[in-house]
Amino acid sequence: NAGVTQTPKFQVLKTGQSMTLQCAQDMNHEYMSWYRQDPGMGLRLIHYSVGAGITDQGEVPNGYNVSRSTTEDFPLRLLSAAPSQTSVYFCASSHDRSGVNTEAFFGQGTRLTVV
Amino acid sequence: AQTVTQSQPEMSVQEAETVTLSCTYDTSESDYYLFWYKQPPSRQMILVIRQEAYKQQNATENRFSVNFQKAAKSFSLKISDSQLGDAAMYFCAYIRGGSNYKLTFGKGTLLTVNP
Repeated sequence: NAGVTQTPKFQVLKTGQSMTLQCAQDMNHEYMSWYRQDPGMGLRLIHYSVGAGITDQGEVPNGYNVSRSTTEDFPLRLLSAAPSQTSVYFCASSHDRSGVNTEAFFGQGTRLTVV
Repeated sequence: AQTVTQSQPEMSVQEAETVTLSCTYDTSESDYYLFWYKQPPSRQMILVIRQEAYKQQNATENRFSVNFQKAAKSFSLKISDSQLGDAAMYFCAYIRGGSNYKLTFGKGTLLTVNP
C-alpha cells in the first residue's frame, strides 16, 4: 500500500516557468488537499477537494490551480512561478465523511525552489 | 477564523526525561478535533495523537499523552521517557467537525533530544 505519493521530490524552476506537482493516493480517499510549508509559518492550505470534480480554495490559493478528474489524483499547477512560491509542498488525503475519522495521510513533500 | 498558537519555537529535553509542548487554539465551534503531528528530518508528516473535543478523557498513545483543557482552549503534548528518535518538529493542528477537511496548523515546535 503506497499511501500518498508525490512527485517530484525536488524541483528547481526559473521565474515565469510553469509546472505541475503530482499527487496520487491509493486509499480511495474522498478528500485531498495541498499545503505549503514555509519556515516559521507551519503548513498553510492552498486548495482542497472533497471528491472528483469538486475543488475549492484554501488560505493561500493565488498563483496555483488544481483539478480533480479522478478520486486518485490531485495535481497542483503553478501557472507562472515566482520566488515567493519557493516552499515545501505537501499533498494530503483523508476519507472522512462525518468528521469522526479525520486523520490525514501526507505525502513526502516536494521541495520547490524558484530562482 | 480559527487559529492555532504554539508559543515555544524550540524545546530541548534529556534522553529518558519528560517534556511538554504547548498549544492553544481559538475557535467558537463546539465540534472539532485536535492533532499533534511529528515531522522528522525526513520531512514526512506523522500523526502522533488525536483528541476529539467531545471527549473529556485525555488521549494517550504509548509514551505520548495530551492535556486537553477545553475551557482554556489548551492542548499540550507530553512526551515521557524521551528517546533520540523523538527529535523532530512538532505541529499542533485543528479541524472543525464536518469541515470537509481543512486543517489549521500551528507554526511548530522544534524538539531536540540530548543524549
